[in-house]
Amino acid sequence: GAGVSQSPSNKVTEKGKDVELRCDPISGHTALYWYRQSLGQGLEFLIYFQGNSAPDKSGLPSDRFSAERTGGSVSTLTIQRTQQEDSAVYLCASSQGTLNQPQHFGDGTRLSIL
Amino acid sequence: DQQVKQNSPSLSVQEGRISILNCDYTNSMFDYFLWYKKYPAEGPTFLISISSIKDKNEDGRFTVFLNKSAKHLSLHIVPSQPGDSAVYFCAASPNSGTYKYIFGTGTRLKVLA
Repeated sequence: GAGVSQSPSNKVTEKGKDVELRCDPISGHTALYWYRQSLGQGLEFLIYFQGNSAPDKSGLPSDRFSAERTGGSVSTLTIQRTQQEDSAVYLCASSQGTLNQPQHFGDGTRLSIL
Repeated sequence: DQQVKQNSPSLSVQEGRISILNCDYTNSMFDYFLWYKKYPAEGPTFLISISSIKDKNEDGRFTVFLNKSAKHLSLHIVPSQPGDSAVYFCAASPNSGTYKYIFGTGTRLKVLA
């Protein structure tokens, strides 16, 4: 399809394991964003990419979280040594630019840490 | 500190009537606002946006109103349809061209047939 694609859609893992979440943005969208939605909360900004660069990583909760983007397209969000509080839905979005351009979201990865 | 607030966690409206969803913000630097709709197990879907140079933007059944002096925006859906039942999030962007949306916690709308 033509939308933002995220995989896996669901991930269950044990505390302490590393996980990698993938986002494939809409073709031609230069900006890519990661958000997190915990139960009963709004969306929390994590990181923003413009091309392959991440000018703003200020939302990453700790140094266990990292993200990269290659080829100006696919991005991966990696969480090392997962903790139970990392359980959430991780959403990726992309936009054509940043100037008053709406962000278009994927369906998210529901991450559950046992 | 919640910069974007949706004080009504839920709202029920009869089919055919108007749905009004409200959103308040605290940061006067916000100048671009959006509404998203979210169904269960899906990502948020962009509905409508408004720039701070306007006070109203309309798209079909959806109209967003912005009251800058009150730091308040609202989404009107007329007429409401059962398919509109979803969680609605408002979002605000600080400074033109900034990417960092600040989201409210959402309002669950239920349209009764």
